[in-house]
Amino acid sequence: AQSVTQLGSHVSVSEGALVLLRCNYSSSVPPYLFWYVQYPNQGLQLLLKYTTGATLVKGINGFEAEFKKSETSFHLTKPSAHMSDAAEYFCAVSPSGSRLTFGEGTQLTVNP
Amino acid sequence: GAVVSQHPSRVICKSGTSVKIECRSLDFQATTMFWYRQFPKQSLMLMATSNEGSKATYEQGVEKDKFLINHASLTLSTLTVTSAHPEDSSFYICSAPSDGTDTQYFGPGTRLTVL
Repeated sequence: AQSVTQLGSHVSVSEGALVLLRCNYSSSVPPYLFWYVQYPNQGLQLLLKYTTGATLVKGINGFEAEFKKSETSFHLTKPSAHMSDAAEYFCAVSPSGSRLTFGEGTQLTVNP
Repeated sequence: GAVVSQHPSRVICKSGTSVKIECRSLDFQATTMFWYRQFPKQSLMLMATSNEGSKATYEQGVEKDKFLINHASLTLSTLTVTSAHPEDSSFYICSAPSDGTDTQYFGPGTRLTVL
């Protein structure tokens, strides 16, 4: 079984500041890990994913995440926030990339 | 990347009626599609796995007679909410993996409001 915990349902940062969204997972098998972004009344857009190999994964829009097996974490970061980054972010885990289990989501607010 | 569409984008219906939502993979074939529902300010909950040419697999607690799923072709899955009630009001989202990849592509969602 898999589960995902996103610490902090709301995160607020200033424009230009570091973005850090936390995700911890539980999985009985080596996990596939994903970060998705959702804008209001829209579906989900894939930001990045980890399957195997390099543990630091770079995604779109300047986001990256690092898989840390010892910490069972997959935190999402971006060095400098833009106003357009304001959205809901979901971390997800899957045993194979098919059936996804999502975290509760983190609403990111970017202040001017 | 692969594109998944949903139709309609929003629908309002009266209690007791049935509503059909379509999910299409536009530029790839999908033998499997997934249906999720999302309540306001909450996460996505997997409802069922739609399998082309066979019965859907429902998650625990999801009524298969209420949420009818048909995967008629390699590019189309439909979700029919039968005898809809106000508590069925939600955002329904489908996804499909492009064959041979480990990535789900999501549709834009359908906002269902039952009056």
